[in-house]
Amino acid sequence: NAGVTQTPKFQVLKTGQSMTLQCAQDMNHEYMSWYRQDPGMGLRLIHYSVGAGITDQGEVPNGYNVSRSTTEDFPLRLLSAAPSQTSVYFCASSYGPGHGELFFGEGSRLTVL
Amino acid sequence: AQKVTQAQTEISVVEKEDVTLDCVYETRDTTYYLFWYKQPPSGELVFLIRRNSFDEQNEISGRYSWNFQKSTSSFNFTITASQVVDSAVYFCALSEARTGNQFYFGTGTSLTVIP
Repeated sequence: NAGVTQTPKFQVLKTGQSMTLQCAQDMNHEYMSWYRQDPGMGLRLIHYSVGAGITDQGEVPNGYNVSRSTTEDFPLRLLSAAPSQTSVYFCASSYGPGHGELFFGEGSRLTVL
Repeated sequence: AQKVTQAQTEISVVEKEDVTLDCVYETRDTTYYLFWYKQPPSGELVFLIRRNSFDEQNEISGRYSWNFQKSTSSFNFTITASQVVDSAVYFCALSEARTGNQFYFGTGTSLTVIP
């Protein structure tokens, strides 16, 4: 059972570089989301999607883009990485908005130099 | 304003002691959902429990129990006879029916169980 798969698990970038964090789920969940985890700040929502073709901003969307072309995939793009984006990123999916628990990927540790 | 508050940043207990992790939430919705997640040192996030606002029954699962009190907007988590494997960061989270597309997480409580 794959669940939610995130890649890469680790990445080091230089300031200004771009990259995409991949997220895929095989549970046919409509709801998918991206969080970042920073020390002392818990998990903060970056972007989320309630279905293919629908995305919306969370609490900390600046500097990140997302798209949802299929139910399974929800990539997170950093267009021009900044040191403030050094964090651990988690992708999560759920059966439905507000009704089911979130299933999380294993996380991606990103360092921006 | 913080929707979920976990005032205890770090807790240390000696093995076999009981420990309670506090969670206070804030919402104007009458329908909402509360969650607890565990993040062990390996880093993954593990779902522990989900509770809806209409079910105030306390729940027990082995050494874990949860006390949901709407009157005080609290959803506390107790570990009985703690073990070293319970050492982790624990997160409380809230999802509101009205804005159900967002889950609000507390800042977490880091629990260390000393052998």
